[in-house]
Amino acid sequence: AQSVTQLDSQVPVFEEAPVELRCNYSSSVSVYLFWYVQYPNQGLQLLLKYLSGSTLVESINGFEAEFNKSQTSFHLRKPSVHISDTAEYFCAVSEITSGTASKLTFGTGTRLQVTL
Amino acid sequence: EAQVTQNPRYLITVTGKKLTVTCSQNMNHEYMSWYRQDPGLGLRQIYYSMNVEVTDKGDVPEGYKVSRKEKRNFPLILESPSPNQTSLYFCASSPIGTANNSPLHFGNGTRLTVT
Repeated sequence: AQSVTQLDSQVPVFEEAPVELRCNYSSSVSVYLFWYVQYPNQGLQLLLKYLSGSTLVESINGFEAEFNKSQTSFHLRKPSVHISDTAEYFCAVSEITSGTASKLTFGTGTRLQVTL
Repeated sequence: EAQVTQNPRYLITVTGKKLTVTCSQNMNHEYMSWYRQDPGLGLRQIYYSMNVEVTDKGDVPEGYKVSRKEKRNFPLILESPSPNQTSLYFCASSPIGTANNSPLHFGNGTRLTVT
């Protein structure tokens, strides 16, 4: 069965500093990987996803994540954060299967708190 | 505007009083799902539906029911709510029959308190 581990429950960072949110997964088969973001009082929104091809994927607001198969990781990074990036970030994994529904498993989330 | 709409946003009820949380999507999505979000536990899937009249259990289905009589609606029913069902609930949908690589579209959540 698949699982996702987000070791950091909270990450405080100053504005304009770089940040990395860690995500490790476990699965016996190939997977799709996702990062979702949840702003206060809202539902989750897809930030970026890795399906295949280039292991480095980017979002429109400057985040990037790199799929590392050997380390089973999909860490999220941003070189310079903004106050508006304050949110909770969820890593999620979906095993690649054929014919049947595949479950999307979420990590426990990392709260990114950006301060001046 | 494409969206997933949940109602109500906030609900306070008492133990044992049946309630329904509605979910509707206007994107003609086949797949719909309910999650609950609890501190330190992330999101856990309650039930999901691949299409009309097709539903299946997720990780934490106990104490919940769902139905999918129409493509756009996927209500969550708590026949006899208990305090351990106090949580933040999210409905989500995606275009195709599986959620393998199709992103989920989430509603804004329903915060339920059972006293």
